[in-house]
Amino acid sequence: EPEVTQTPSHQVTQMGQEVILRCVPISNHLYFYWYRQILGQKVEFLVSFYNNEISEKSEIFDDQFSVERPDGSNFTLKIRSTKLEDSAMYFCASRRGAGGSLANEQFFGPGTRLTVL
Amino acid sequence: AQKVTQAQTEISVVEKEDVTLDCVYETRDTTYYLFWYKQPPSGELVFLIRRNSFDEQNEISGRYSWNFQKSTSSFNFTITASQVVDSAVYFCALSEAGYGGATNKLIFGTGTLLAVQP
Repeated sequence: EPEVTQTPSHQVTQMGQEVILRCVPISNHLYFYWYRQILGQKVEFLVSFYNNEISEKSEIFDDQFSVERPDGSNFTLKIRSTKLEDSAMYFCASRRGAGGSLANEQFFGPGTRLTVL
Repeated sequence: AQKVTQAQTEISVVEKEDVTLDCVYETRDTTYYLFWYKQPPSGELVFLIRRNSFDEQNEISGRYSWNFQKSTSSFNFTITASQVVDSAVYFCALSEAGYGGATNKLIFGTGTLLAVQP
């Protein structure tokens, strides 16, 4: 069964460093998402991406964040200069879109735990 | 604005008890989707169910059942004969229909931690 994959599973970085979190969505999916979950809190929407551009972003997704789909398979989230409060689990998700029973279901990756020291 | 409320922060039951997790949502959309996800201690999000707003039929899947009541904006989740492996955080989520520029982003509740004691 196809699944969303994310690498690395755990990333430790120093404050102020840049990090890139990688995701490989399911191959025939058209819509891509990043979510964040600070430890012990709820899952929060960061950004959605469709047709090679951002379709919506939340207030959390400020200028320090960017997303890219560089090669048609990977979907990356870059944090330019990490802060302590960026420590969280980051989930990637993809959705097929179009019609059919699974069109609106988001499939989540296993997450990347980011620790900023 | 869309909002999902899970008033129960933590529930503790003994194995074989039935337990119901509450979810109340707010949306101005007439067409929307409701979801339940399970997050075990390992951290991944496991999809359990999706419900369309125009389908109020309740659903049963094994020991799991869901009660969707549009009149009270609730989408409650019941586990029958709970087991230790059911111990996890359960999240209810809402998304809009996805047309007119909407992105189908998921709005999550704060989650309910279910602890099933042996």
